[in-house]
Amino acid sequence: SYVLTQPPSVSVAPGQTARITCGGNNIGSKSVHWYQQKPGQAPVLVVYNDRDRPSGIPERFSGSNSGNTATLIITRVEGGDEADYYCQVWDSSSDDGVFGGGTKLSVL
Amino acid sequence: QVQLVESGGGLVKPGGSLRLSCAASGFTFSDSYMSWIRQAPGKGLEWVAYISSTSSYTNYADSVKGRFTISRDNAEKSLFLQMNSLRAEDTAVYYCVRYDRIYGMDVWGQGTTVTVSS
Repeated sequence: SYVLTQPPSVSVAPGQTARITCGGNNIGSKSVHWYQQKPGQAPVLVVYNDRDRPSGIPERFSGSNSGNTATLIITRVEGGDEADYYCQVWDSSSDDGVFGGGTKLSVL
Repeated sequence: QVQLVESGGGLVKPGGSLRLSCAASGFTFSDSYMSWIRQAPGKGLEWVAYISSTSSYTNYADSVKGRFTISRDNAEKSLFLQMNSLRAEDTAVYYCVRYDRIYGMDVWGQGTTVTVSS
């Protein structure tokens, strides 16, 4: 089955840019979605289709996807961005939804 | 407003059964693919199953295949997950989710907790 690999943790200072990676075999050929989950809450979609934002999500959230790596980019990081972030794709070969293991973003 | 509300979680003994329900409102349920996602305590998200808008297509994670059944009632705007032969490793918060392969999982319920323990 398809595997997505994320770093367990990323730390960034307020006001800086956070980059969270998601590795997968030829992931650039797939549509990647990103979810934010704060403690005790349901996940929230923050980026879909590699780089698009749902309504209500700040422009500070964006994404890229090429080759074997997709990246969630959060500019001007704020304390409220501290959360777990998950990447997700649909594996058409097995018709499965696949999540990465999640990355904990800490704002120093 | 767009909303999904799960119910049916609880404590069940290993080998037992449970049926989860999810009530949808605020969007055209009958046009939407739906999924169940779960999250074990302290762990990441795990996709469990999906069902197409007309119930023509379903698929399951290997970890639940043969034990869980996803279904829906478009007239009642409801999604279901029948869980049989439950194991301790099925203990998790279960989320009902609207999903699209291009637009992602854009609507999530608040989750319902399933605990499998003797």
